[in-house]
Amino acid sequence: EAQVTQNPRYLITVTGKKLTVTCSQNMNHEYMSWYRQDPGLGLRQIYYSMNVEVTDKGDVPEGYKVSRKEKRNFPLILESPSPNQTSLYFCASSPERGNQPQHFGDGTRLSIL
Amino acid sequence: QKEVEQDPGPLSVPEGAIVSLNCTYSNSAFQYFMWYRQYSRKGPELLMYTYSSGNKEDGRFTAQVDKSSKYISLFIRDSQPSDSATYLCAMTSPETGANNLFFGTGTRLTVIP
Repeated sequence: EAQVTQNPRYLITVTGKKLTVTCSQNMNHEYMSWYRQDPGLGLRQIYYSMNVEVTDKGDVPEGYKVSRKEKRNFPLILESPSPNQTSLYFCASSPERGNQPQHFGDGTRLSIL
Repeated sequence: QKEVEQDPGPLSVPEGAIVSLNCTYSNSAFQYFMWYRQYSRKGPELLMYTYSSGNKEDGRFTAQVDKSSKYISLFIRDSQPSDSATYLCAMTSPETGANNLFFGTGTRLTVIP
């Protein structure tokens, strides 16, 4: 089954404790991205990657890092989480050829205390 | 002004009603238009994908794009309780491609049996 898998699905942690949210896709997609979803603000892109070792900032990259060492994986790293990063996070992927719809994972709900 | 505006609702309709969901946008370069459906605790899933102006029909769903008015719509005929979800519009341009999807904030729909 074609899917984007995120882990963990839920996490409650404290300010400053580094965390990583993993994302893996099994569709051999070149393009992957991370979004956060907040009430009244909708989905906002954090980072995206066009292919292995190619990443770029989205609209709200501050406080986040990503890496793309393998085509299927695109982890999101919060080096020093803060309460304003409490949100619902989604990973998505799509084929490289332009303007293809993105496939989303089921989300990771992060609470930073 | 946001790139994409969408009435957040909530919208409640009786089963069997025709539902109309709408988004307006400001960027005339947008040419690819999508509707995603998001159930509670799940990621957005692609419902409809259209290019440029016109209508596209898929079962009970019809997507309509009016580029002259910068207005897109999703119609749901014979609505069912299983249609209860949040509906997100999204759009992009040939220049930004899949890198940069612009999302509405979503409209929450409840179909009452």
